[in-house]
Amino acid sequence: AQSVSQHNHHVILSEAASLELGCNYSYGGTVNLFWYVQYPGQHLQLLLKYFSGDPLVKGIKGFEAEFIKSKFSFNLRKPSVQWSDTAEYFCAVKLANDMRFGAGTRLTVKP
Amino acid sequence: EAQVTQNPRYLITVTGKKLTVTCSQNMNHEYMSWYRQDPGLGLRQIYYSMNVEVTDKGDVPEGYKVSRKEKRNFPLILESPSPNQTSLYFCASSYLNTGELFFGEGSRLTVL
Repeated sequence: AQSVSQHNHHVILSEAASLELGCNYSYGGTVNLFWYVQYPGQHLQLLLKYFSGDPLVKGIKGFEAEFIKSKFSFNLRKPSVQWSDTAEYFCAVKLANDMRFGAGTRLTVKP
Repeated sequence: EAQVTQNPRYLITVTGKKLTVTCSQNMNHEYMSWYRQDPGLGLRQIYYSMNVEVTDKGDVPEGYKVSRKEKRNFPLILESPSPNQTSLYFCASSYLNTGELFFGEGSRLTVL
């Protein structure tokens, strides 16, 4: 079945560590890709998006993601995480009529 | 201020008692959608709407109804709630061509 896969369920890091969260999708053709973040007790907010062009996309709060078409991947990265990055991160793929989300990765950053 | 407003934010109800969760957006978005969020399952789409009077099923529509009589409103109706509908529900909206979803604050529903 077509899907969006986030490989890490829960990631625990210390402050200043580097972060990479994996996301793979199985939909063919042109896709629009997103990362959303959900801080504790809050709603989802857009972190960054890729529609076309430069496959390295920069978002808010120092996050970036790289689209690798051959690998059907859109991994999220941040060189140095902060305690305030503790949140749940969702990868999403926009299809013709709707958006499909991965199961989410919970990030815990220890001070 | 651009926003998606859901009500109620919290609700405890009993099996079989009909309820409606309202959703309203003030951004003139064509697209609106309902998701439920469950641990380990991420967000699963219940229903979506591309415009007024146009609705369609998502991945998990069973036990839910929606309507889109006005562009700004997209209520979610549970005609006969059951305990397996206990979840956190999010309404979201966007312009049709951008896919950038704006989410409401969420409605936590418990069905006893």
